[in-house]
Amino acid sequence: DTGVSQDPRHKITKRGQNVTFRCDPISEHNRLYWYRQTLGQGPEFLTYFQNEAQLEKSRLLSDRFSAERPKGSFSTLEIQRTEQGDSAMYLCASSIGQNSPLHFGNGTRLTVT
Amino acid sequence: EDQVTQSPEALRLQEGESSSLNCSYTVSGLRGLFWYRQDPGKGPEFLFTLYSAGEEKEKERLKATLTKKESFLHITAPKPEDSATYLCAVDGGAGGTSYGKLTFGQGTILTVHP
Repeated sequence: DTGVSQDPRHKITKRGQNVTFRCDPISEHNRLYWYRQTLGQGPEFLTYFQNEAQLEKSRLLSDRFSAERPKGSFSTLEIQRTEQGDSAMYLCASSIGQNSPLHFGNGTRLTVT
Repeated sequence: EDQVTQSPEALRLQEGESSSLNCSYTVSGLRGLFWYRQDPGKGPEFLFTLYSAGEEKEKERLKATLTKKESFLHITAPKPEDSATYLCAVDGGAGGTSYGKLTFGQGTILTVHP
């Protein structure tokens, strides 16, 4: 169990650019989640995959956001035409089954200038 | 809509001074209540899951309890290394939402001075 891995750890981009983050879940976990956390707040749910199927998306996830999990392994989160309000920590988590605890990675901190 | 409120927002303790953190919640149907610890610049680290009122879990100096409206995280004889932000989250299951769609509180920042 090597834990949830996220890449990159930090990303600085200019407004209007596209960015993509990667998450590698714990190997035997079939459930994968993306959350977003801003300073001083708890994480907020963005989207959820079971294997390769994206089963739920938050209203927070605008059309500029897209997530994929090809082959049910790693996942990517892409933000198009970034805005300053997108600056946050993007957290990935995985779990082994329903009602099992989520295990989080250390996140990707995005700064949009 | 599920809601979670944590208090206090910040807590300063002397080493060895026991205290409790509070997590008040409202959900349509509780699937689970989770406690996490978060260090600066890192992701939340799982501590406990509680499923029903009256349940208690312990780990080292930490003990989590659950009632129908709130949960407490009791810290006994804390050490400086217990300093972190403690997050509470609920899986409320409203409207048949997916498991793992957690609603988090804003956290309690705990500082333990030597």
